[in-house]
Amino acid sequence: EAGVAQSPRYKIIEKRQSVAFWCNPISGHATLYWYQQILGQGPKLLIQFQNNGVVDDSQLPKDRFSAERLKGVDSTLKIQPAKLEDSAVYLCASNRVRNEKLFFGSGTQLSVL
Amino acid sequence: EDQVTQSPEALRLQEGESSSLNCSYTVSGLRGLFWYRQDPGKGPEFLFTLYSAGEEKEKERLKATLTKKESFLHITAPKPEDSATYLCAVLGNTGKLIFGQGTTLQVKP
Repeated sequence: EAGVAQSPRYKIIEKRQSVAFWCNPISGHATLYWYQQILGQGPKLLIQFQNNGVVDDSQLPKDRFSAERLKGVDSTLKIQPAKLEDSAVYLCASNRVRNEKLFFGSGTQLSVL
Repeated sequence: EDQVTQSPEALRLQEGESSSLNCSYTVSGLRGLFWYRQDPGKGPEFLFTLYSAGEEKEKERLKATLTKKESFLHITAPKPEDSATYLCAVLGNTGKLIFGQGTTLQVKP
């Protein structure tokens, strides 16, 4: 079974630029999550999708972050414009149903200079 | 508000030296407590789920236990390949999985 795929693996941008991350969850997984992990901290949930609907985006900075999950499969997370404090690893995860264990991708490491 | 605190932040052990990692939590309606392992440059990998106080689960040299306020991850006779960051997370009535900051374990040969 293929795991959660994320790209790119690394991204370096300057502040005020825009960036997008892509995630393809495990086939058949209805729920998809985007987490932000700052160095030395645990992952923090940004947004949760159930199929192509948003379940929770209460911690997503909506003035600069946006996310979509077209057709209930893959997803993109965008930051525009980026700030220095957005430097982090962005992790995508999925599971078959909510409350089950999460399967994580390897993440995208973002550096904002 | 659901919260998770892990201790210690970092732990250095000699190979074969057993120890425990702590995860203290407050949650409204525990649906599950999860342990994950995270290696450098990778996403977290699932280890265990515990659902109720008194429950225990084991996998190789790892054993997870749960009380109403905390969980322990016991590591028996660790090996260098057990070196990683161990994350604890709770799922409550909010439906949101809340992670602790992790414990970074280093096992020296």
